[in-house]
Amino acid sequence: EPEVTQTPSHQVTQMGQEVILRCVPISNHLYFYWYRQILGQKVEFLVSFYNNEISEKSEIFDDQFSVERPDGSNFTLKIRSTKLEDSAMYFCASSGDRNYGYTFGSGTRLTVV
Amino acid sequence: DQQVKQNSPSLSVQEGRISILNCDYTNSMFDYFLWYKKYPAEGPTFLISISSIKDKNEDGRFTVFLNKSAKHLSLHIVPSQPGDSAVYFCAARTIQGAQKLVFGQGTRLTINP
Repeated sequence: EPEVTQTPSHQVTQMGQEVILRCVPISNHLYFYWYRQILGQKVEFLVSFYNNEISEKSEIFDDQFSVERPDGSNFTLKIRSTKLEDSAMYFCASSGDRNYGYTFGSGTRLTVV
Repeated sequence: DQQVKQNSPSLSVQEGRISILNCDYTNSMFDYFLWYKKYPAEGPTFLISISSIKDKNEDGRFTVFLNKSAKHLSLHIVPSQPGDSAVYFCAARTIQGAQKLVFGQGTRLTINP
């Protein structure tokens, strides 16, 4: 069964450092997303990406965040200057069309110290 | 902003019995509802969905019921199996936009042998 692959599974970084979280969506999917889940809280939408541009973003997704699809397979989330409160599980997801549930990756646990 | 609410943080059910997980929403613009299952250290896994034009959708042991007038949906699992023990998230999506999902807080289901 096709999978969404995320790397690394766990990233520890110092406050103020830049991090890049990587995702390989399912190959024939067209819509790409990042979500995050702070420990003990609900899964929150960050950003959606379609046709090589951001289609929607949440209030969380401020200027510190950016997304890129640098080639035909990878989808990345960059946090420019990490803060302690960015510590969370970050999930990448992709979907083929609007009538299917997304497929989520296993997540990257980001710990900012 | 709690547009999607799962009021029961946990639920314990005997193996073989029916599990009923509930979800309420407030946004009448939601047109599509999904249930996800999540194991620790994994991403959410799509289970079943329902369009707002239907009131029931069934897939094997899983059935989702939608009551639009009450803005309520439920997931029924019958018979419950030990492998169903996980956190279940209800999610909803609006007609417009780029398919952003709004998640509930999740319900931890434990199936007892």
